[in-house]
Amino acid sequence: GNSVTQMEGPVTLSEEAFLTINCTYTATGYPSLFWYVQYPGEGLQLLLKATKADDKGSNKGFEATYRKETTSFHLEKGSVQVSDSAVYFCALSDRDQTGANNLFFGTGTRLTVIP
Amino acid sequence: KAGVTQTPRYLIKTRGQQVTLSCSPISGHRSVSWYQQTPGQGLQFLFEYFSETQRNKGNFPGRFSGRQFSNSRSEMNVSTLELGDSALYLCASSLALTGGLNTDTQYFGPGTRLTVL
Repeated sequence: GNSVTQMEGPVTLSEEAFLTINCTYTATGYPSLFWYVQYPGEGLQLLLKATKADDKGSNKGFEATYRKETTSFHLEKGSVQVSDSAVYFCALSDRDQTGANNLFFGTGTRLTVIP
Repeated sequence: KAGVTQTPRYLIKTRGQQVTLSCSPISGHRSVSWYQQTPGQGLQFLFEYFSETQRNKGNFPGRFSGRQFSNSRSEMNVSTLELGDSALYLCASSLALTGGLNTDTQYFGPGTRLTVL
């Protein structure tokens, strides 16, 4: 079946530190991969995505590369800011026989960036 | 383009009551999915609607139901509320593209926070 395993949090970093949040997946088909971010009291915002192997998604200084050989989609940012403090969710999307897109989420990683 | 909107944003109900939550998708999006988010269980898929038909359903009891209207707006209903139904209910919409690579992306609303007392 489909599943996502995400690095346990919480993660606390100083401003301008390097960030990596690990994400690995199991999928039966050819999934798309996503990172969503959730700020306090809000819904999920799409951060970046990749739809096929070796694609790199990027947005707001965050990057993740779809690695089929290691079934991974690790999130990285070279220099975090206090405003990046949020919960980050890795997710995969696979299309089933009905054509429905099913999103499978990791457990989320809480990031706190301190000045 | 306006994003996904959900109403109401906050709800307080008591055990045994029922509740209806509403979701308006992004214009042109045909698929609406619902998720429940709790601290203990994380994000769990409830169901997905496309062209007024439920295509997929998560592992939730029959007290949870939904529907989609011809304009793609969706509602979900929870009957006989239990304390454990307290959660953030998130709605997401997507274009529901067919064929080719699975490039469809789900866009989320702000959620409805339901508290059951």
